[in-house]
Amino acid sequence: GENVEQHPSTLSVQEGDSAVIKCTYSDSASNYFPWYKQELGKRPQLIIDIRSNVGEKKDQRIAVTLNKTAKHFSLHITETQPEDSAVYFCAADLSGNTPLVFGKGTRLSVIA
Amino acid sequence: GAVVSQHPSWVICKSGTSVKIECRSLDFQATTMFWYRQFPKQSLMLMATSNEGSKATYEQGVEKDKFLINHASLTLSTLTVTSAHPEDSSFYICSASEKAGVISGYTFGSGTRLTVV
Repeated sequence: GENVEQHPSTLSVQEGDSAVIKCTYSDSASNYFPWYKQELGKRPQLIIDIRSNVGEKKDQRIAVTLNKTAKHFSLHITETQPEDSAVYFCAADLSGNTPLVFGKGTRLSVIA
Repeated sequence: GAVVSQHPSWVICKSGTSVKIECRSLDFQATTMFWYRQFPKQSLMLMATSNEGSKATYEQGVEKDKFLINHASLTLSTLTVTSAHPEDSSFYICSASEKAGVISGYTFGSGTRLTVV
């Protein structure tokens, strides 16, 4: 089955700097890669996603890149703000009725 | 957008009792419901997948007789933790898939924090 590795597990950045979180996946058939932000005690919130027919997607300060050949995808947050502090999870999926496989998460701390 | 309502948001129960968690899709038909468990500072771990009208598929290591899943309708799925023990204390969260075979995104419930004392 699919296996998703996520790095780093913790990340501290100064406010205004950029943060990059990387994930690799094992199943080349996976074609949907969402990123979630989870605050303590709350549900994961989808912040951006990318499908396998696209190499990059951007939404304001957040961008995701996908390299299908290497089977890795990355989350980029620019101009970080304290409210970006949370746990971020990447995930991979084969189809709409198979479960998402999550990475282990990255705890991002943005220091003011 | 699609909304999944999950109840209760938190529950404290005594060891040995059972707890039922409900997830309802409010404005769409959830053909598939995924149940996850999340321990503190850990990722979401899939427990089981349920499809409406059929038996749930459990992940390895998840006791199907302990975690009873019912998906009797396209808008309601329930997870019952039977004979709960302190080690079952966790954050349980459901996620619904709207369309079989189509990646339309997953909608998460708000989660249930279970504490067994």
